[in-house]
Amino acid sequence: QVQLVESGGGLVKPGGSLRLSCAASGFTFSDYYMSWIRQAPGKGLEWVSYISSSGSTIYYADSVKGRFTISRDNAKNSLYLQMNSLRAEDTAVYYCARGPYGVYGMDVWGQGTTVTVSS
Amino acid sequence: QSALTQPASVSGSPGQSITISCTGTSSDVGGYNYVSWYQQHPGKAPKLMIYEVSNRPSGVPDRFSGSKSGNTASLTISGLQAEDEADYYCSSYTSSSTLPYVFGTGTKVTVL
Repeated sequence: QVQLVESGGGLVKPGGSLRLSCAASGFTFSDYYMSWIRQAPGKGLEWVSYISSSGSTIYYADSVKGRFTISRDNAKNSLYLQMNSLRAEDTAVYYCARGPYGVYGMDVWGQGTTVTVSS
Repeated sequence: QSALTQPASVSGSPGQSITISCTGTSSDVGGYNYVSWYQQHPGKAPKLMIYEVSNRPSGVPDRFSGSKSGNTASLTISGLQAEDEADYYCSSYTSSSTLPYVFGTGTKVTVL
C-alpha cells in the first residue's frame, strides 16, 4: 500500500546534527514533489522544506535556511532532511508528506519522527 | 512566512453544521484555487480532507465541504459527528513567500 515511513529522530544537544529519512513505498516516488512539515509541541503545522520530483527545485522556510538541507534519492525511493546547528526551537515532530503539486494537496503522510533538541 | 488566519476554536453539537474560516490575501487564498484542508487528531498525522478549494479525496465523507470567497476560504462540516473533533488546518499556494505554500494557524473543533 501507499506508505511513507520516517526515521532518524532522537535527542540531540544544541548545535548538533541529525539526518531524517523518509522511505516511500507503493507509488512511483520519482513522480512526486515531497515536503517536510514539522509540529512543535502544542503548536500548529509549519512547512520546513519542499523539493521537486527531480530534486532540481528546493524551497526552505526562513527559520531553517542555511541549517537544513533537503534531498532525495529516487533510485532508493527516499527523502532526506539533514539538520545542522540544531536549536531548542527545532524540537518538533517531523513529518514527510507527498506533494503538494498544483491544486493537489498533501495526500500521503508519514507517522512522524520526534526530534528533541536539549542539553 | 505569514500564516493564514483561522479561528482558534469552533464548537457545535452533534448533527449541527459548523464553518471554519481561513483568511489570507490576494497573494495566496484570493489569488489561487490551491486551497487544501487537513484534519489532525491528537497524536496522529494530518489527513487531507479537501483540495482545490472544494474537492474531496476518495474516502472523505461528503459532510465535509469547502468553498472560497475573495481572500477567505471556508470548511463546512455538516451533520457534525463525535469523530470530527480534531484540529483543522487550511493551506494555500502563495506567491509572497520563500516557500510556495503556507498553512493556516489551525482551528480546534469541539463536539459538545
